[in-house]
This record gives sequence, structure tokens and C-alpha cells, in this order.
Amino acid sequence: SQELEQSPQSLIVQEGKNLTINCTSSKTLYGLYWYKQKYGEGLIFLMMLQKGGEEKSHEKITAKLDEKKQQSSLHITASQPSHAGIYLCGAALNSGGSNYKLTFGKGTLLTVNP
Amino acid sequence: DSGVTQTPKHLITATGQRVTLRCSPRSGDLSVYWYQQSLDQGLQFLIQYYNGEERAKGNILERFSAQQFPDLHSELNLSSLELGDSALYFCASSRTSYTFGSGTRLTVV
Repeated sequence: SQELEQSPQSLIVQEGKNLTINCTSSKTLYGLYWYKQKYGEGLIFLMMLQKGGEEKSHEKITAKLDEKKQQSSLHITASQPSHAGIYLCGAALNSGGSNYKLTFGKGTLLTVNP
Repeated sequence: DSGVTQTPKHLITATGQRVTLRCSPRSGDLSVYWYQQSLDQGLQFLIQYYNGEERAKGNILERFSAQQFPDLHSELNLSSLELGDSALYFCASSRTSYTFGSGTRLTVV
């Protein structure tokens, strides 16, 4: 089974709607990263969360790490076509300072219809 | 520009051949990580180097090897290539955050 589960696998929303993507781990998350990727292109860093209960926002995107540090959510408010892409969560599942490999979820494909 | 540089961007080669992918980390970052992204497996960790030494290994095939040089750039060598090795290969570097390069798309024909 996947160490890191993302849901939903895909999402189609109408422009202007809000949406949430979840990332759930069976292990403690020592660092949780959210990235956005256009198909076949590089990963664009969105946010990093480390502390339980931490919440960060950038423009219309908010990410939270729950208190128990085993789940994170990414919320997009008033979605726009520019938000379309693949959203990936990557987690450090072993404590190791700032040098650690990331385990990734399978990604969530977001389509925003105008 | 993330500061992590990967070359080449695209590579097309035949089965059985050997290729080298190059990665330059962000200035000051000592760690370099290599990942492989394919449609069926998603993004998979291959190997990590820290200041020239191998630090962690993931699902890296024996046909693949990597090294990190004194100037901290890293190379991923893929040999005896098979059709299934076609994928996007990313490197990342980390210090306080984890940043990816734009990747090398390898196509094995």
C-alpha cells in the first residue's frame, strides 16, 4: 500500500469554486511539501509545513498540517484556470534534519473549467 | 528559475545504450537527490548524495549509478537502457527547503 495517499485522484471544478486536496500518511510527517506540476514539466514549489497545526497561505492557496502531523490539506479558494495541473504532496517520513528523501503521493489532477 | 539546473532537457537513445544526466544544485546546497517519474510508478526516490558521499538509496536499479563531485554537481549514469527506463528524471537539492530542477525527459527507443 502507498505510504502517502492523496485524494481525490482527479478533480474537475468550475472556475470560481473552492476545492480541497488531501494528503494522508500512516506515519508521522516530519516535513510536508506541496508542489504543482504541469504535465511533463518540472515541479513548482508551493509550500512547506513542518509543525503540527501549521497553516500557510500564498495567494489563493492555503495548506495545513494537522496537529497529529499525519495529514495535510491544500485548499484553493475561487479557483482559476491557471490553477489547473497536478498537485503532489511529498513527505519526509523519517526525522533526519534538513537532509532527507521525500516520499510522494500519486498526485491529484485538477481541471478548472472556465 | 529554481536554482537547480539539469541537463540535458531531452534525451532520445536506443536500447542498450548508456547516458549521463547532470545536475547542479542551488548554490550552497550540499545534498542532491535523484528521482524518477513514470506514469505507472509516480515519483520515486532513487539516491541521495551529501557533500560527495552517498547518503541514502531508494529504488535504484543496479544498471544505474550516481556520483557527486567536489564542486557539488551530480551525475546520474544509466546503462544498458531498456524501454521501461523511459521517464522523467529529476534532481533536487535541499538545505532549508527542497527544490527540484526542471527534469530530463529520457526516451528509450
